[in-house]
Amino acid sequence: QKEVEQNSGPLSVPEGAIASLNCTYSDRGSQSFFWYRQYSGKSPELIMFIYSNGDKEDGRFTAQLNKASQYVSLLIRDSQPSDSATYLCAVIGTSYDKVIFGPGTSLSVIP
Amino acid sequence: SAVISQKPSRDICQRGTSLTIQCQVDSQVTMMFWYRQQPGQSLTLIATANQGSEATYESGFVIDKFPISRPNLTFSTLTVSNMSPEDSSIYLCSVEEYGLAGGYEQYFGPGTRLTVT
Repeated sequence: QKEVEQNSGPLSVPEGAIASLNCTYSDRGSQSFFWYRQYSGKSPELIMFIYSNGDKEDGRFTAQLNKASQYVSLLIRDSQPSDSATYLCAVIGTSYDKVIFGPGTSLSVIP
Repeated sequence: SAVISQKPSRDICQRGTSLTIQCQVDSQVTMMFWYRQQPGQSLTLIATANQGSEATYESGFVIDKFPISRPNLTFSTLTVSNMSPEDSSIYLCSVEEYGLAGGYEQYFGPGTRLTVT
């Protein structure tokens, strides 16, 4: 089992819709969870982090964490074509010594 | 967040040669990381570089192939030695900061795109 798994994608949504990106992780003791956005040819950009169970909102982005289910998600409301990118889920495990990245989900927002 | 720069931004190298990639941060950081991202793939951690100690390498990566220096808290280098076409990739420097929300956050430099012919 991979340490961090994500939707295989690609995910296509119409402009204005809600995009839902999902991630599961294997280390039950993980404490910190991140979402990165990576445009083609660019480096990853940290857009959200969440440490506690529940929801965390920042503008059009909402991160949701459920530690019991070992599940973290990212919702993008009112999706825009500029949101088209690869989204990487990342987790700091129990050892706290490194960040483990998922394979990424490619999102395409169709005008 | 810290501002991270890398040099070179891209290079085309011949097989058998070596390339040293530089990473500069505008603030002092304890933890620096080097990643590789092959085309269409996610990030793979090569090693963790802490100032004043030997770098810690991940499985599949060895010091002879990827020697790392960390002379101070704002600078690190990664050398890709005896390159082959399989080393063609984007190499990313990353730093870890303790954020205002009470947890560690990791930020990336712009990357170095390496092509080996």
